[in-house]
Amino acid sequence: NAGVMQNPRHLVRRRGQEARLRCSPMKGHSHVYWYRQLPEEGLKFMVYLQKENIIDESGMPKERFSAEFPKEGPSILRIQQVVRGDSAAYFCASSPVGEQYFGPGTRLTVT
Amino acid sequence: GENVEQHPSTLSVQEGDSAVIKCTYSDSASNYFPWYKQELGKGPQLIIDIRSNVGEKKDQRIAVTLNKTAKHFSLHITETQPEDSAVYFCAALYMDSNYQLIWGAGTKLIIKP
Repeated sequence: NAGVMQNPRHLVRRRGQEARLRCSPMKGHSHVYWYRQLPEEGLKFMVYLQKENIIDESGMPKERFSAEFPKEGPSILRIQQVVRGDSAAYFCASSPVGEQYFGPGTRLTVT
Repeated sequence: GENVEQHPSTLSVQEGDSAVIKCTYSDSASNYFPWYKQELGKGPQLIIDIRSNVGEKKDQRIAVTLNKTAKHFSLHITETQPEDSAVYFCAALYMDSNYQLIWGAGTKLIIKP
């Protein structure tokens, strides 16, 4: 059973561009969580999704950020018009219910 | 709101000694408590977890204890080795938060040779 996959592993964007981060959950997992982590800091919850539904997006900025988990395909975290402050590691985790299994993360650098 | 406090933020121990990291939680309804290890440049990895129907769980050199009355749980690592150096996160599952994990702030464990 393959683990949680994230791509790309590293992403460089110029200010104003869009960033798309992908997460493929473990087989059989229907819950996906996205977290953001700055260097030397903890995990900051962003959004929790089930297939075709956003369950909790209380940690997501109201503007420029969106997430989806379609019936088919990976979950996508989309950041529009990126700014330098968006530079961080973004992790997704998948879950059957309860325990979460993390992917390797996408390191976003905004230049 | 729900909260998980983790201490210490940094822990430095001599190789071969034991390390203990403690967490407290606020919601008495929580019943699942995992511990994650995050190495530099990697995603957090689940290393051990405990459910509220047991007080202790062991897996080789690591163990977790749970005191439901006091609402705290601890990670114990014995005979520490250099590869134990990492950041460790505790979490508690909150039923009222759509079964989400509430996370501690992390402990940076440094193993001195």
